[in-house]
Amino acid sequence: EAAVTQSPRNKVTVTGGNVTLSCRQTNSHNYMYWYRQDTGHGLRLIHYSYGAGNLQIGDVPDGYKATRTTQEDFFLLLELASPSQTSLYFCASSVGQNERLFFGHGTKLSVL
Amino acid sequence: QQKVQQSPESLSVPEGGMASLNCTSSDRNFQYFWWYRQHSGEGPKALMSIFSDGDKKEGRFTAHLNKASLHVSLHIRDSQPSDSALYFCAVSEPSGGYKVVFGSGTRLLVSP
Repeated sequence: EAAVTQSPRNKVTVTGGNVTLSCRQTNSHNYMYWYRQDTGHGLRLIHYSYGAGNLQIGDVPDGYKATRTTQEDFFLLLELASPSQTSLYFCASSVGQNERLFFGHGTKLSVL
Repeated sequence: QQKVQQSPESLSVPEGGMASLNCTSSDRNFQYFWWYRQHSGEGPKALMSIFSDGDKKEGRFTAHLNKASLHVSLHIRDSQPSDSALYFCAVSEPSGGYKVVFGSGTRLLVSP
């Protein structure tokens, strides 16, 4: 099965801090996604990409930047973290449109 | 308002029973429906997809799609305690590539 690796698994930072969440897939998938999961809201799309250097805005992009440096690597950046960004973050990848997404194990982020 | 609405929020069925989950989208641009399942502490995993009107069966799972009403359902026959999980409906939307939008989920509990 396709593998998606996220790091770190847990992160604690303070309000105003900088955070980078990393995601790597070695499946040669074109699409990569960043979601946040919060009770009552399900999975909400932050940013996504369909190839190296490409970036598309999702549904809840405010306060987040993303960068797809290579086909394998997709990063999510929080430059001025706020408590409202405390959440469980998932990265996912898929080979192409309408194909299934493969998810990582998630990163639990706490902003104090 | 979320573009993908799921009901019920939670569902409890006895072991061996039938579980029925519902999903409705509000956007006719949505092309492809997927069902995902998430066990506690893990990332979501794809169960099955459907894009044609009618039923699609995979083992104990049957998905039904009505494109006219943008409604899709998932029926789990002979439910097992291991089916206890959070179930998400997801739809793909052509928008700067293809974005994948998730509903808020249905929590299923199967009691022995």
